[in-house]
Amino acid sequence: NAGVTQTPKFRVLKTGQSMTLLCAQDMNHEYMYWYRQDPGMGLRLIHYSVGEGTTAKGEVPDGYNVSRLKKQNFLLGLESAAPSQTSVYFCASSYAVTEAFFGQGTRLTVV
Amino acid sequence: ELKVEQNPLFLSMQEGKNYTIYCNYSTTSDRLYWYRQDPGKSLESLFVLLSNGAVKQEGRLMASLDTKARLSTLHITAAVHDLSATYFCAALSGAGSYQLTFGKGTKLSVIP
Repeated sequence: NAGVTQTPKFRVLKTGQSMTLLCAQDMNHEYMYWYRQDPGMGLRLIHYSVGEGTTAKGEVPDGYNVSRLKKQNFLLGLESAAPSQTSVYFCASSYAVTEAFFGQGTRLTVV
Repeated sequence: ELKVEQNPLFLSMQEGKNYTIYCNYSTTSDRLYWYRQDPGKSLESLFVLLSNGAVKQEGRLMASLDTKARLSTLHITAAVHDLSATYFCAALSGAGSYQLTFGKGTKLSVIP
């Protein structure tokens, strides 16, 4: 099983550029999450989804959009990247109240 | 809004010693999780605590949950260097929200 796979693993963007991060899970999980991790801040929830076609805002949603058109995929979009969005992004998925499984992370640098 | 606080945020301990990491959460949640993260790596699930009084143990680590006090603890027994990592607790809000909220993490360094 691949588990949770994030694409890409690394990316450098210029300010104002856009990009989409892809998260794919093969565990038939209902819940999926996008987090960003910054030094000293722990993991902060950006957006999450409790099922196909549904999304909700987390703690730090500004500047990001998401879509969950298929159950196995959760996309995170940056429409106009800013240096403040330089971070490590993690996707996670879970089935109901069991533990969340994490992808390997995407290291994004905005210059 | 569910908030999760861990303490301490940094912990340096000698091999062979015992210590406890504390995790407090602000609103009702009976789902508490502990994760481990090594530098530059993803998060690995350690424990899932689903009810009041739950206790789980794996090797030198033991986690417990007190939902009335809104407190979970991660106890380390006779620390070894391999336990050096950052440990996160996370709580799941319910009532249709299902946000999984993390603490800031405890960076543990076990020194000889």
